[in-house]
Amino acid sequence: GNSVTQMEGPVTLSEEAFLTINCTYTATGYPSLFWYVQYPGEGLQLLLKATKADDKGSNKGFEATYRKETTSFHLEKGSVQVSDSAVYFCALISSGSARQLTFGSGTQLTVLP
Amino acid sequence: NAGVMQNPRHLVRRRGQEARLRCSPMKGHSHVYWYRQLPEEGLKFMVYLQKENIIDESGMPKERFSAEFPKEGPSILRIQQVVRGDSAAYFCASSPQGAKSTDTQYFGPGTRLTVL
Repeated sequence: GNSVTQMEGPVTLSEEAFLTINCTYTATGYPSLFWYVQYPGEGLQLLLKATKADDKGSNKGFEATYRKETTSFHLEKGSVQVSDSAVYFCALISSGSARQLTFGSGTQLTVLP
Repeated sequence: NAGVMQNPRHLVRRRGQEARLRCSPMKGHSHVYWYRQLPEEGLKFMVYLQKENIIDESGMPKERFSAEFPKEGPSILRIQQVVRGDSAAYFCASSPQGAKSTDTQYFGPGTRLTVL
């Protein structure tokens, strides 16, 4: 079956630090990969996505590259801000599945001023 | 274009009562999905519906839970005889008519159910 493994949290960084949140996956078929962000008390917002190998998704300074050879989709940002404090979820949807998003357990990020 | 709407945002029920959660998808979206987020966990798929049809309910508990998406009106997730373990955030998502299976799902703000 499909599964997503995310880097354990919580992660605490100082403002302007470099961020990496690791994500690896197991899936049938050729999945699309997503990063969603959840701010306190809110629902999930799509941060970025990639639909095929070697694609790079990017948004708001965040990037992630779909690596088929290592089955990974690590999230990176060069310089985090306090406003990036949130929970980040890696997710996939497999072309072989009936539209079920499979989520990782989430990584809590806190950015200190 | 309004986003996915869910109501209520917060719902408190006593054990044994019924909970009804509503979801209105984005305009032009005909696919609706329900997910549950237990405390300190990621989201887990429950059910996928199109208008008047349940397409995939493989993530739904076998008892007490049901979902519908009628021709008119919002999608409803219904939990009968709630227990404390049902306390969670329930999220609805939608995707456009004609979307491929791997297309983006857009999430609502969630309903946080607390069972006393």
